[in-house]
Amino acid sequence: AQSVTQLDSQVPVFEEAPVELRCNYSSSVSVYLFWYVQYPNQGLQLLLKYLSGSTLVKGINGFEAEFNKSQTSFHLRKPSVHISDTAEYFCAVSVIQGAQKLVFGQGTRLTINP
Amino acid sequence: GAVVSQHPSWVICKSGTSVKIECRSLDFQATTMFWYRQFPKQSLMLMATSNEGSKATYEQGVEKDKFLINHASLTLSTLTVTSAHPEDSSFYICSALRTGRNQPQHFGDGTRLSIL
Repeated sequence: AQSVTQLDSQVPVFEEAPVELRCNYSSSVSVYLFWYVQYPNQGLQLLLKYLSGSTLVKGINGFEAEFNKSQTSFHLRKPSVHISDTAEYFCAVSVIQGAQKLVFGQGTRLTINP
Repeated sequence: GAVVSQHPSWVICKSGTSVKIECRSLDFQATTMFWYRQFPKQSLMLMATSNEGSKATYEQGVEKDKFLINHASLTLSTLTVTSAHPEDSSFYICSALRTGRNQPQHFGDGTRLSIL
């Protein structure tokens, strides 16, 4: 079975500061990795995904993430955040060979302060 | 592209009522759709996988007679919460998987269900 751990439930940062949201996963088989963002009372929007190839993945809204296989991590970063980045962020994995079900982490609440 | 519409966005009803939630992929065909449940300030929990033309696959602990899923076409899946009770109140989210290799799930905007 797969599991995803997001190490921080809440991350407060000031506007224009850099941010890193941490994600570690556990799986006995190869997985795809995803970051999703959820704004209040909405569904999830895909920020970026890692399928294969370059371990540094760039996504929408200036976010990027780096896949580290040895540390089983997929941390999300942004060099300069905006008020509009305030949202809940979810890291997720799915097994490469399988029904493509997503297993989500607990979520990290990113709050941007002016 | 890849828009998923979920309807209704909010529903309030009396205990004992059955409620149907629709999930539509508007601009692509989705052989597979997923239904999730999300409690306040928590993550998404997969309830079931809906496959067009076949029976849904339910996750452990999810009552299939309570949460009826129908996926009758490549663009529509429905979730019916039968005889809903207050403990069924939650945020329900669907996602659709575009046919093809390595496609991500595209999510609807969710349905907030409140049972009085």
